[in-house]
Amino acid sequence: AQKITQTQPGMFVQEKEAVTLDCTYDTSDQSYGLFWYKQPSSGEMIFLIYQGSYDEQNATEGRYSLNFQKARKSANLVISASQLGDSAMYFCAMNPESNRLAFGKGNQVVVIP
Amino acid sequence: NAGVTQTPKFQVLKTGQSMTLQCAQDMNHEYMSWYRQDPGMGLRLIHYSVGAGITDQGEVPNGYNVSRSTTEDFPLRLLSAAPSQTSVYFCASRQHGATEAFFGQGTRLTVV
Repeated sequence: AQKITQTQPGMFVQEKEAVTLDCTYDTSDQSYGLFWYKQPSSGEMIFLIYQGSYDEQNATEGRYSLNFQKARKSANLVISASQLGDSAMYFCAMNPESNRLAFGKGNQVVVIP
Repeated sequence: NAGVTQTPKFQVLKTGQSMTLQCAQDMNHEYMSWYRQDPGMGLRLIHYSVGAGITDQGEVPNGYNVSRSTTEDFPLRLLSAAPSQTSVYFCASRQHGATEAFFGQGTRLTVV
C-alpha cells in the first residue's frame, strides 16, 4: 500500500514570507501523480497543484510550486509570499497506478501579520 | 456548475441506526471515492469505484457499504452506526487520466 508522510508540526509563517511543507511518499509504482490540497477552516478541499511522476519540470501554479525529487521520493510544497488567507491545513496526496488516491495526515499552517 | 454534491451536510444518529450518505456528480467522471476525515488522521479511503457497477474497498471499509448503479451517484451506507463512525465524510470524483479530484462539501456525522 502507498504511504504518504507529512511530519511537520503546526507551522507559523510571517506574512509575505515563503514556507515549505514537506511530503515524502513510498510506492513501488512507476507511474503516479502527486497532489497538494488546501483545507481552510471552512472545511472544503481545494486543489492546489499536481505533479506527474514522469514530469521533468517541477510544477508551478501561481504562488505554489512543487519541489519534486523523485529519487528521494519527496514532493514538497512551496508557498511564496504568504498571505493571511493561506492559513489552512495542507494535504499531500498520491494517485498510484491503482487510482486509489491516498492522503497524508496534513500540515497546519498559520500565517501571522 | 453543481460539481460534486453531498447530502446531508450534518447528521446526528443514534447507535445502531442506519442511514445513507448521498453523493452525486454531474461531470460524467468515472472515478468516485468516499473518505473519512478524523483529527490527526488525514483523509482515509473507505470505498471507491472506477465506473458504474464496479466498487472496491479502501483502507477503512468496515461498517460501510457502497454501490454504483449509475455514473452519477455513489451512495455510502452505514448499516448499524457506531460512535467510532463519528467523522467528516467526503465524496470525491475524478475523470480517468485527469490531474484533479473534485470534492463535495463534506458531511459531518455524529453518532451518539
